[in-house]
Amino acid sequence: DIQMTQSPSSVSASVGDRVTITCRASQGISSWLAWYQQKPGKAPKLLIYTASSLQSGVPSRFSGSGSGTDFILTISSLQPEDFATYYCQQTYSFPWTFGQGTKVEIK
Amino acid sequence: EVQLVESGGGLVKPGGSLRLSCAASGFTFSTYNMNWVRQAPGKGLEWVSYISGSGSKIYYADSVKGRFTLSRDNVKNSLYVQMNSLRAEDTAVYYCARAGIGDTMDVWGQGTTVTVSS
Repeated sequence: DIQMTQSPSSVSASVGDRVTITCRASQGISSWLAWYQQKPGKAPKLLIYTASSLQSGVPSRFSGSGSGTDFILTISSLQPEDFATYYCQQTYSFPWTFGQGTKVEIK
Repeated sequence: EVQLVESGGGLVKPGGSLRLSCAASGFTFSTYNMNWVRQAPGKGLEWVSYISGSGSKIYYADSVKGRFTLSRDNVKNSLYVQMNSLRAEDTAVYYCARAGIGDTMDVWGQGTTVTVSS
């Protein structure tokens, strides 16, 4: 199975800050990586697919980069509604696997 | 409006069975692969199972293989998972999710809660 490791596990940031979250795959997954945002009590929401493509309706302050084993989610200017938990997920091979999540908290 | 609505969750004893359903609307259900994903209380996301649009390809996480059976009815626009031999560790919110580009999960239901406890 492909292991997905996110860092950091949590980050404290202020509104307007630039936030980066890293996801590392245990083996190469090309660009078959997605990023999701989840708020408490809600279903996850797709932000980025195929590593760098922005899902329709998602604000442009979200961006994704990387390929192979190392990936980054960047929030260019953190907004109040962005405080949430973020997950990466690979769809390169079954079983699909998620990272453990990164909680973005208010500083 | 594209929508997925799960149902069928509840409280069940260890060793018991439950069948979850996911009703799809607002898109051509038969042309999309579908997934079940679960989230145990206070934990992260865990992919459970995947079925292709035609139903010809089905994959399971090792944690549920042999106990869960995924199926779909493309006439009723519905996805199902039959869960047998349930364990305490199956306690979670279960989400159905549509597979979009690159099989990423682009539409999610609101989730249904399964609690396995005596």
